[in-house]
Amino acid sequence: EAQVTQNPRYLITVTGKKLTVTCSQNMNHEYMSWYRQDPGLGLRQIYYSMNVEVTDKGDVPEGYKVSRKEKRNFPLILESPSPNQTSLYFCASSAVGGNYGYTFGSGTRLTVV
Amino acid sequence: AQSVTQLDSQVPVFEEAPVELRCNYSSSVSVYLFWYVQYPNQGLQLLLKYLSGSTLVESINGFEAEFNKSQTSFHLRKPSVHISDTAEYFCAVSTWNTDKLIFGTGTRLQVFP
Repeated sequence: EAQVTQNPRYLITVTGKKLTVTCSQNMNHEYMSWYRQDPGLGLRQIYYSMNVEVTDKGDVPEGYKVSRKEKRNFPLILESPSPNQTSLYFCASSAVGGNYGYTFGSGTRLTVV
Repeated sequence: AQSVTQLDSQVPVFEEAPVELRCNYSSSVSVYLFWYVQYPNQGLQLLLKYLSGSTLVESINGFEAEFNKSQTSFHLRKPSVHISDTAEYFCAVSTWNTDKLIFGTGTRLQVFP
């Protein structure tokens, strides 16, 4: 089954404790992206990657890091999480071209206390 | 740059009534348009998309959307809603020269019995 897999689904952590949210896709998609979803703000792009070793900032990159060492994986790293990063996070992937739309993961609900 | 506006944050409606969720976009180039649906505690699923050709596009569960270039709109409609249509709906836009999807802030459709 074609899918994007995120882990974990739920995470509660403390301020400053480094964490990684994993994302993996099995569709051989070149394009991968991370979004955060907040009430009243919709989805905002954090980082994206056009292919292996090619990453770039989205609209809200502060406080986040990503890497793309393999085509299928695109982890999101919070080096020092803060309470304002409490949010619902989605990983998505797409074939390159702009007209395919995204396949989304099931989401990771992160709470930073 | 592109942008998407969903004017209605919430739309309450009774079961079997018609519904329209409004979406307007802004872009200086030709666009691809998408509607995604997010059921409670789930990720986003592609509902329908407009790439080119016929301006009326349909989904498998009875929704349809019409691309109106002169009014820069892509409103989503259903002639008779069901309780199971209760969800949040996101309109999104991309273009031929970018793989980035820009989302609106979402419309929560609440269907009452």
